[in-house]
Amino acid sequence: GESVGLHLPTLSVQEGDNSIINCAYSNSASDYFIWYKQESGKGPQFIIDIRSNMDKRQGQRVTVLLNKTVKHLSLQIAATQPGDSAVYFCAETAGGSYIPTFGRGTSLIVHP
Amino acid sequence: DTEVTQTPKHLVMGMTNKKSLKCEQHMGHRAMYWYKQKAKKPPELMFVYSYEKLSINESVPSRFSPECPNSSLLNLHLHALQPEDSALYLCASSQPGQPLGYTFGSGTRLTVV
Repeated sequence: GESVGLHLPTLSVQEGDNSIINCAYSNSASDYFIWYKQESGKGPQFIIDIRSNMDKRQGQRVTVLLNKTVKHLSLQIAATQPGDSAVYFCAETAGGSYIPTFGRGTSLIVHP
Repeated sequence: DTEVTQTPKHLVMGMTNKKSLKCEQHMGHRAMYWYKQKAKKPPELMFVYSYEKLSINESVPSRFSPECPNSSLLNLHLHALQPEDSALYLCASSQPGQPLGYTFGSGTRLTVV
């Protein structure tokens, strides 16, 4: 299940399940969105991106959905594997800035 | 080469020490960045260099001094740090004006004692 509070939100899933990680943003001028994966001891790694003129984009085992009406972004991971365990950050750019602003992050724990 | 290399991986320093963090990339990127990341928090932007010139300083204390000697190298000089400066320091690079291709290094884990 998912817990949200003062600590890093955490999503625990079983291996093989599909995972959905959510992200809310507040800037209606945001025009480019990126999902990063950060494993322990490493820097954030690009997973997938989407521009504001799209509402869905698919990669290998990952899908990003964008709902601009409610300013919501989600990352779906199919057939989650233990190697997917990491912290996932959404990030956005807006107004011509090319520097991503990071969201809070969600810790994904995959149980074998 | 598609990597951003940071050295050292770990650093412990006293509050009176002077040390430097190094970052190197050979992707031809002309924008380089320093971020600070505390545990369980997102990376926070500190400095941006674009074409080897400092373009953004996010009100970072002067005890952190960045330097970009050439288009492949980025340094962060540290002096008189405080224990609360302990964090993971991340370097990133990209082409200026393009968030696509933003690449992070693995960071330097800094502990100030």
